[in-house]
Amino acid sequence: EVQLVESGGGVVQPGGSLRLSCAVSGFTFSSYWMSWVRQAPGKGLEWVANIKQDGSEKNYVDSIKGRFTISRDNAKNSLYLQMNSLRAEDTAVYYCARDWVGYCSGGSCYGAFDYWGQGALVTVSS
Amino acid sequence: DIQMTQSPSSLSASVGDRVTITCRASQSISSYLNWYQHKPGTAPKLLIYAASSLQSGVPSRFTGSGSGTDFTLSISSLQPEDFATYYCQQSYSTPYTFGQGTKLEIK
Repeated sequence: EVQLVESGGGVVQPGGSLRLSCAVSGFTFSSYWMSWVRQAPGKGLEWVANIKQDGSEKNYVDSIKGRFTISRDNAKNSLYLQMNSLRAEDTAVYYCARDWVGYCSGGSCYGAFDYWGQGALVTVSS
Repeated sequence: DIQMTQSPSSLSASVGDRVTITCRASQSISSYLNWYQHKPGTAPKLLIYAASSLQSGVPSRFTGSGSGTDFTLSISSLQPEDFATYYCQQSYSTPYTFGQGTKLEIK
């Protein structure tokens, strides 16, 4: 059974730091890109970052560039999000998700987030 | 960045109804379009990928269509468990972006 379990959420003051973890089981972690997606209170889903299988490529949404760092440890089947210089607008539930390739056709590969964790709440408040 | 716009933002319907949600991309994304269902306190669930492919285990009453910039998600014969918020998401290029969501409520 595929499982993704986030941890490390909590309350932090503006300007503070927090590190989220996502422990994965039930599939070969090292074979997949992985993403973080967040949902602020009362808002929709927002993709935050993703990381290639071997960690050699990372992509970020502009609003967190230079403040957040995505990383992974394939030996520990774990995904991380280091969040620095946190702001009130970073308050959200943070989900880890598996980047899955549904199928490839004619040189194009169509991907989606097929497994998600239950989320970790991060609250940035003084 | 590619902007995704869903309509309507909310929708009231009854069990047994057929509903359609639309999603428009700010530029052509071919068929790089996914649909998710999200209920409060749970993990989002993938319904449709590549615009029209049904994810394994998802009931066939969910159908997706479209390509380029205009896409639709249809649910035939609504069931009680279908009342949730639905999001489209483009996987054409990073930053991957979601629509603002469509909240489907019981009439």
